[in-house]
Amino acid sequence: AQKITQTQPGMFVQEKEAVTLDCTYDTSDPSYGLFWYKQPSSGEMIFLIYQGSYDQQNATEGRYSLNFQKARKSANLVISASQLGDSAMYFCAIQEYGNKLVFGAGTILRVKS
Amino acid sequence: DAGVIQSPRHEVTEMGQEVTLRCKPISGHDYLFWYRQTMMRGLELLIYFNNNVPIDDSGMPEDRFSAKMPNASFSTLKIQPSEPRDSAVYFCASSFQGQDFEQFFGPGTRLTVL
Repeated sequence: AQKITQTQPGMFVQEKEAVTLDCTYDTSDPSYGLFWYKQPSSGEMIFLIYQGSYDQQNATEGRYSLNFQKARKSANLVISASQLGDSAMYFCAIQEYGNKLVFGAGTILRVKS
Repeated sequence: DAGVIQSPRHEVTEMGQEVTLRCKPISGHDYLFWYRQTMMRGLELLIYFNNNVPIDDSGMPEDRFSAKMPNASFSTLKIQPSEPRDSAVYFCASSFQGQDFEQFFGPGTRLTVL
């Protein structure tokens, strides 16, 4: 089974609206971390947000929030008030014991003006 | 801090040649990771080090690939001999303490093997 599944190859959102990028994961490890990274067309990988498996509250970082539903093994990224600069590829990743990250296939987000 | 530094940023070489990619992690970070990104396989971990010691190299595709970390501020990924299917973007990343901490990525090296 895939460790990380991102079912949306591409998404469109209108500027200033909110958008949710889906991520489901598969692990039997009780302790794990979930990460979201952004990769703009320039190619760099930018860390956005982190959620630990034992964290009681959903993580938030500015306009980014993580909708963590542990029982459903879901860690969706919510971007509020989308901006043109949010257009990029977004990757969800899981970190189990051993520190390495396993990435999903990514979702391309396009923000329309 | 300058962030993770990788060199070269672009490399074009011919099949059969040796290629060496270089990485300088963020000062004070004790974990270093090498990733490869391709359209077909996405982002995949090749190898990672903790305190200069290789911990997991299960992602290294084959014996043509080797990685070293002679000290805390420098790592290399070598491909010898290179093949066209090695064409990819190679990222180096570093983190402090590893678990539950974000990995800071370098700008990547775009490798093209003709």
